[in-house]
Amino acid sequence: QSALTQPRSVSGSPGQSVAISCTGTSSDVGGYNYVSWYQQHPGKAPKLMIYDVSKRPSGVPDRFSGSKSGNTASLTISGLQAEDEADYYCCSYAGNPYVFGTGTKVTVL
Amino acid sequence: EVQLVESGGGLVQPGGSLRLSCVVSGFTFSSHWMSWVRQAPGKGLEWVANIDQNGNEKYYVDSMKGRFTISRDNAKNSVYLQMNSLRVEDTAVYYCAKYSGYDLDYWGQGTLVTVSS
Repeated sequence: QSALTQPRSVSGSPGQSVAISCTGTSSDVGGYNYVSWYQQHPGKAPKLMIYDVSKRPSGVPDRFSGSKSGNTASLTISGLQAEDEADYYCCSYAGNPYVFGTGTKVTVL
Repeated sequence: EVQLVESGGGLVQPGGSLRLSCVVSGFTFSSHWMSWVRQAPGKGLEWVANIDQNGNEKYYVDSMKGRFTISRDNAKNSVYLQMNSLRVEDTAVYYCAKYSGYDLDYWGQGTLVTVSS
């Protein structure tokens, strides 16, 4: 039940694209198409941004997209906006329990 | 409107116990798995436990097995986390969250548990 590995931080200018990787194993990310991504602003509860690897909940802008290849999932934010500055966490089903990623801070320059 | 409201956090000495509660509204509680997730100060999210719709299936992260117990009361639209033998490293904000499929689509605002002498 080791945490999934994410980069500590990524940054980009407004309008640019950034990608966040989430690396696990064949027992979690690679074994199931149940990766979700959460956005968390300081002092706030997490918010679901992507589920089932690449699906967007209603209300989430389409500049957020998800994908997976092998044991690594990715979240891409296209057309970066100031309000996207936050912490992002991936999460994978691992046959119960679930496992979260280490978290990535996205900075908008 | 979906709402999840946690309570029961506070200051407790090492070795002590606390019971967290989460009251929900705005959805059919008895139809959904529920989960507790925690976040230590300045740290990342950590999945704690989940429970099925009827309270029959329960799963825990290994480090909390035997110390934490998740339960629910569908008549009261509530999910609970009984925490025993608390350690300093259990200090965190504890969130309850609702499952939709294999993801957590709604979260409460969290309740802070501080374990300190």
